[in-house]
Amino acid sequence: NAGVTQTPKFQVLKTGQSMTLQCAQDMNHNSMYWYRQDPGMGLRLIYYSASEGTTDKGEVPNGYNVSRLNKREFSLRLESAAPSQTSVYFCASSERAGEFNEQFFGPGTRLTVL
Amino acid sequence: RKEVEQDPGPFNVPEGATVAFNCTYSNSASQSFFWYRQDCRKEPKLLMSVYSSGNEDGRFTAQLNRASQYISLLIRDSKLSDSATYLCVVNEANTGTASKLTFGTGTRLQVTL
Repeated sequence: NAGVTQTPKFQVLKTGQSMTLQCAQDMNHNSMYWYRQDPGMGLRLIYYSASEGTTDKGEVPNGYNVSRLNKREFSLRLESAAPSQTSVYFCASSERAGEFNEQFFGPGTRLTVL
Repeated sequence: RKEVEQDPGPFNVPEGATVAFNCTYSNSASQSFFWYRQDCRKEPKLLMSVYSSGNEDGRFTAQLNRASQYISLLIRDSKLSDSATYLCVVNEANTGTASKLTFGTGTRLQVTL
């Protein structure tokens, strides 16, 4: 039982390049999330998927797109990377919506955009 | 005003000390509350949920004050392994939607010999 896995762990891009961050969970969770973490800002929600087949914008969706490929997988795409997207990206999942619903996080992807 | 505010620290305490962190939140409609722990360059992990009546888990005690909109975390008998950043997290989810967590920026704790 690996929990939440993310690939790649590290990535360096040039401005304007595109890439997809992959996330998978093996806990049969319904909901999945993408966050970014920047110094002094706390984690901020980019996009989330309450259940398979649905996606919604979070606090900072501009410059990103997501795909909920199936129940297990939720990918984040940067179409044209910008230096402002340099950050640590975390994927998370939770069993269902609602209160007291623990979110489990993946190990993160450290992205640098030059 | 930030939605969830924490003192960034660092709090430097000797082993065995008791230390307390506070956190304030701005949305009075917030429904549930958590403390997460994040080690350096690692992912956040749930430390404990915070219940209205207060709750304890070993050396850790969490309290919620809805009237004043703050949450606290007390750590007794600090261990070196408690050194980490503690994130205050507020859930504003409504029934039927995904849990939408708002994270504080964290309070860093350093426990020393």
